[in-house]
Amino acid sequence: NAGVTQTPKFRVLKTGQSMTLLCAQDMNHEYMYWYRQDPGMGLRLIHYSVGEGTTAKGEVPDGYNVSRLKKQNFLLGLESAAPSQTSVYFCASRGSSYEQYFGPGTRLTVT
Amino acid sequence: GEDVEQSLFLSVREGDSSVINCTYTDSSSTYLYWYKQEPGAGLQLLTYIFSNMDMKQDQRLTVLLNKKDKHLSLRIADTQTGDSAIYFCAEFGANNLFFGTGTRLTVIP
Repeated sequence: NAGVTQTPKFRVLKTGQSMTLLCAQDMNHEYMYWYRQDPGMGLRLIHYSVGEGTTAKGEVPDGYNVSRLKKQNFLLGLESAAPSQTSVYFCASRGSSYEQYFGPGTRLTVT
Repeated sequence: GEDVEQSLFLSVREGDSSVINCTYTDSSSTYLYWYKQEPGAGLQLLTYIFSNMDMKQDQRLTVLLNKKDKHLSLRIADTQTGDSAIYFCAEFGANNLFFGTGTRLTVIP
């Protein structure tokens, strides 16, 4: 049982480049989340989804887009990366309980 | 939005008890959580407490909830070097989790 997986684990981008982070879960969870973690700021919610085909904005959505075409996958896109988006990105999923399961994270550096 | 606050650092000696504190603002939160993050890893759920409880004990972990003061604490008994990590408090509200800044626990051998 893999739980929540994230691809890639590390990435370096130049300013203005685009990329997509992939999150996959094998627990048939309805809810999925994307967070960013910055030093001294905890985790902040970027976007989330309450089911296949739905997305919603979180606390810090600007500069990011998401899609949930399949229940098991939640994609986070950066159309034009900026140095301020250098961070560690975590995906999480949740079923009917209140427990969120986290992926191992993606470390993104934008130069 | 919800505001969850924690102190940033805590150091304890191996074998002592650790107490990590957290304050939150949303009195309607149904669940409050403690997560552990080891270096280079994701967050691992340690324990949680429902808002109608005052205390929950799980092996070496004790969670205390003071709803009046909106204060949550995590006590780790007999702290070990393997407990060194960042501990996040989180409250559940509006379908989402709101996290504190995390407390970095350092255990001194």
